[in-house]
Amino acid sequence: DVKVTQSSRYLVKRTGEKVFLECVQDMDHENMFWYRQDPGLGLRLIYFSYDVKMKEKGDIPEGYSVSREKKERFSLILESASTNQTSMYLCASSKRQDTGELFFGEGSRLTVL
Amino acid sequence: GDSVTQMEGPVTLSEEAFLTINCTYTATGYPSLFWYVQYPGEGLQLLLKATKADDKGSNKGFEATYRKETTSFHLEKGSVQVSDSAVYFCAPTGGATNKLIFGTGTLLAVQP
Repeated sequence: DVKVTQSSRYLVKRTGEKVFLECVQDMDHENMFWYRQDPGLGLRLIYFSYDVKMKEKGDIPEGYSVSREKKERFSLILESASTNQTSMYLCASSKRQDTGELFFGEGSRLTVL
Repeated sequence: GDSVTQMEGPVTLSEEAFLTINCTYTATGYPSLFWYVQYPGEGLQLLLKATKADDKGSNKGFEATYRKETTSFHLEKGSVQVSDSAVYFCAPTGGATNKLIFGTGTLLAVQP
């Protein structure tokens, strides 16, 4: 069964901490995405990557960075967590040509105190 | 810029009722159109899609037709079940990089 796996379902961090959210896909997909999901706002794209070591800013990249050292792994980094980054984070992947057909992980719910 | 507007929820229905969730979009060019569903405690999954005008996407009893003239892609199901309770997202492709633009989601609650 093909999968996108996010390393942590629930995290609680303190303001100012550095946070790593890991995502791994086993479908050999070229594209990987990080979204955040907030009530009333839907999904907003933070960063995406079309290839190893390649990254592009999405709609809300401020306060985040990403790393893609291997094709199957895409990490989201919060350099200094803030309370307004409390949210559900969703990772997704797709084939290079299929920017609309995404496969999602189950999500990581981050609470920043 | 490109955008999508979908029906506010929650939508509460009894089992076997007819469902419509409205979705309209603004886009330059010719977007592909998608509906995604998120069941409780899970990530999103693709429900159906349509890639050109007048195409009808269908899956699990759900249908949506790509209406270019009204820029709409309304989701319908003739008889909902309790297991259809979820959040539904309309998403056209758009923008400079042709990525998905997600709506705010519509919560559907089906009561037995």
